[in-house]
Amino acid sequence: AQKITQTQPGMFVQEKEAVTLDCTYDTSDPSYGLFWYKQPSSGEMIFLIYQGSYDQQNATEGRYSLNFQKARKSANLVISASQLGDSAMYFCAMREWGSGTYKYIFGTGTRLKVLA
Amino acid sequence: GAVVSQHPSWVICKSGTSVKIECRSLDFQATTMFWYRQFPKQSLMLMATSNEGSKATYEQGVEKDKFLINHASLTLSTLTVTSAHPEDSSFYICSARVNTGENTEAFFGQGTRLTVV
Repeated sequence: AQKITQTQPGMFVQEKEAVTLDCTYDTSDPSYGLFWYKQPSSGEMIFLIYQGSYDQQNATEGRYSLNFQKARKSANLVISASQLGDSAMYFCAMREWGSGTYKYIFGTGTRLKVLA
Repeated sequence: GAVVSQHPSWVICKSGTSVKIECRSLDFQATTMFWYRQFPKQSLMLMATSNEGSKATYEQGVEKDKFLINHASLTLSTLTVTSAHPEDSSFYICSARVNTGENTEAFFGQGTRLTVV
């Protein structure tokens, strides 16, 4: 079964508008972390934001915020005031701490295109 | 943030030859490094987890004799693709975990684009 699901293979957003990228996850481990990474065409993975399973508040990092709904097992990324440079692939990832391996499981990604 | 350097960034090799990819943590010690493979327009698939001084743990379906991983020091892990074939052409990316607790993200190298001709 898919542990991380990103249902939007591609998204378009107008410059300066906000966009939400969806991510749902599946785990029985009570301790886990959720991450969002940006991958531009050059290939490097850029860390954007992190949410721990025990965090009470939604994470925010500048224009990025994570809409964490634990009961629904969703961790959507919200990008406010989109910029042309935001065009890239975005990956949601989860790390389960109960396994002790610290390995990441990635979703299939969402390709975001910001329109001028 | 911590810096992970991966070398080379791209390589073209002939079928049947071996290719070594290096992953270095430049300003921190990484007891654990991860190697991923990414086919075009697809997600990152974990190949193996590399722990310093011990054998790597390979994911199901990954041939350990073909993808040799060595993590000889706290700052260097290498992935060697042995007897490479065109189907091994892919984007390989490493990540290193900062060993300062659980609530830390892994830092990724720039990736290596391997083309086997």
